[in-house]
Amino acid sequence: GENVEQHPSTLSVQEGDSAVIKCTYSDSASNYFPWYKQELGKRPQLIIDIRSNVGEKKDQRIAVTLNKTAKHFSLHITETQPEDSAVYFCAAPRMNSGYSTLTFGKGTMLLVSP
Amino acid sequence: EPEVTQTPSHQVTQMGQEVILRCVPISNHLYFYWYRQILGQKVEFLVSFYNNEISEKSEIFDDQFSVERPDGSNFTLKIRSTKLEDSAMYFCASSPPLGQPQHFGDGTRLSIL
Repeated sequence: GENVEQHPSTLSVQEGDSAVIKCTYSDSASNYFPWYKQELGKRPQLIIDIRSNVGEKKDQRIAVTLNKTAKHFSLHITETQPEDSAVYFCAAPRMNSGYSTLTFGKGTMLLVSP
Repeated sequence: EPEVTQTPSHQVTQMGQEVILRCVPISNHLYFYWYRQILGQKVEFLVSFYNNEISEKSEIFDDQFSVERPDGSNFTLKIRSTKLEDSAMYFCASSPPLGQPQHFGDGTRLSIL
């Protein structure tokens, strides 16, 4: 099945700095890549997603970039705030599932210090 | 904004007992999923459901697990004979006709004693 690798596992930044989280995937046919934010004890919440027909998508302080050739995609958070502290998961469609079922990365714990 | 709702929020059960976790997906969604998250670990896919049948299942989803859509709104996950290692947070998700994006419920924390 799809193999999703996510780095780093933990990331500590100062408030106002940028944070970048990277993921690689194995199935070249994958065409949809979401990012989820999970606060402690809460549901994974979709924060941004990208489809393979674009290379970048931005939503205020959050952006995602996709490199299909290299099979990696990244989450960029600018001007980080303490409320950005959470675990972030990338995901990609499982192989042979169409695009409906997701394989998640292991997560990145982001800690933003005031 | 419509949400996926799950009940109960926390279930404590003796090992060997059956449990049923319940989910109400978003009303116009057509794909339904169950995922599991062991404490501190990643979200793991269990099963997807479309058009009243399982469309895909993972190696975790063995004969002890089953899913059902008993009526037009509920989507359930049953574990027939629970084991200690079934202790985890179970998330239900649903997605619209195109298959994405998936929206998650708040989860059911299952504790097996």
